Amino acid sequence: KAGVTQTPRYLIKTRGQQVTLSCSPISGHRSVSWYQQTPGQGLQFLFEYFSETQRNKGNFPGRFSGRQFSNSRSEMNVSTLELGDSALYLCASQQGGGRTEAFFGQGTRLTVV
Amino acid sequence: GDSVTQMEGPVTLSEEAFLTINCTYTATGYPSLFWYVQYPGEGLQLLLKATKADDKGSNKGFEATYRKETTSFHLEKGSVQVSDSAVYFCALSDGSGNTGKLIFGQGTTLQVKP
Repeated sequence: KAGVTQTPRYLIKTRGQQVTLSCSPISGHRSVSWYQQTPGQGLQFLFEYFSETQRNKGNFPGRFSGRQFSNSRSEMNVSTLELGDSALYLCASQQGGGRTEAFFGQGTRLTVV
Repeated sequence: GDSVTQMEGPVTLSEEAFLTINCTYTATGYPSLFWYVQYPGEGLQLLLKATKADDKGSNKGFEATYRKETTSFHLEKGSVQVSDSAVYFCALSDGSGNTGKLIFGQGTTLQVKP
């Protein structure tokens, strides 16, 4: 069974640009969540998608958005990049309801210069 | 709101020493509790979980017991190895069960010396 796949693994972008990150969950999993990991703030929840609908959202500005497709693959987009957006972005795949374990991808390391 | 507090690291131990990483939580409802491990340059791997009070999760020699009375989920291992060196995260699920959101502690770095 394939794991969670995130692409690309590394990205370097310039301040003001936008970026799209991709996540393919484990087959059969309908929930995809995104997290931002930084040394200062730790792991922070961005949003969760379940069956193509945003089910929950963290406390991030509107520059951060996401979507989920009918095959459960998900993308997140960050517009007007700021230096502080440099982080490891992790995608988590869950089978369905809450309280279940999340399986994480290896992450996308975004560097904003 | 819900939160998780872990002991600050780094924790440095000699090989075969006993490990305890403390984790306490604040939550409403009936959350599940998890320990995740992160190796350098990698994502998070689930180490163990517990879904209700008094459950004990265990895996690869690691154990943790869901203690509702003390709101704790401390991670223990009887004899650590150099390969256990990593960052360990305690996490809880949303207590309502309506979302997959996880709330993480700040992480504890473990370094095991030969």
